[in-house]
Amino acid sequence: AQSVAQPEDQVNVAEGNPLTVKCTYSVSGNPYLFWYVQYPNRGLQFLLKYITGDNLVKGSYGFEAEFNKSQTSFHLKKPSALVSDSALYFCAVSRNSGYSTLTFGKGTMLLVSP
Amino acid sequence: GAGVSQSPRYKVAKRGQDVALRCDPISGHVSLFWYQQALGQGPEFLTYFQNEAQLDKSGLPSDRFFAERPEGSVSTLKIQRTQQEDSAVYLCASSFEGGHTKPQPQHFGDGTRLSIL
Repeated sequence: AQSVAQPEDQVNVAEGNPLTVKCTYSVSGNPYLFWYVQYPNRGLQFLLKYITGDNLVKGSYGFEAEFNKSQTSFHLKKPSALVSDSALYFCAVSRNSGYSTLTFGKGTMLLVSP
Repeated sequence: GAGVSQSPRYKVAKRGQDVALRCDPISGHVSLFWYQQALGQGPEFLTYFQNEAQLDKSGLPSDRFFAERPEGSVSTLKIQRTQQEDSAVYLCASSFEGGHTKPQPQHFGDGTRLSIL
């Protein structure tokens, strides 16, 4: 079975500072990893994915994520946070064969203060 | 618009009533997924369609839940004899993948918020 852990319910950061939202995963075989963002009363929006290749993945809105196989982590990062980045962030893992049913973490609320 | 469309956005029903939730995926997307998102939780997988074929319904919580996609485009999630524990946001997602390629991003609708009184 595959699983995702997001150890922080909430992350607080000041605007302009770097941010990190943590994610660890468990899956048999090679992982396919995703980050999604959810704004209030909206569906999930895709930010970025890791399939294979470079461990540093760049995505939408200046976000990036670092895949670390030895630590089974896929932390989301951004060099300089914006107030508009405040939202709920979900990490997800997919199994590496067949169709890509996603298993999500419970989410991390990111609050960026002015 | 070109995104995934779900209707209704909000649905209130009395316990014991049947409800039907609609999903209109992005045109040309082969794969369609339904997820259930309880308050304060991440989405949980319910069922998966590849075109009109329902290939995985392992996440459906009971036989009161039924989904169909008869022509390989629009999908309907039906819940019979609703219970209070069915209250959640139901999300539909579609993707281009046909099941034999590496995973493609899923595109989500805004969901249907179902409240059972």
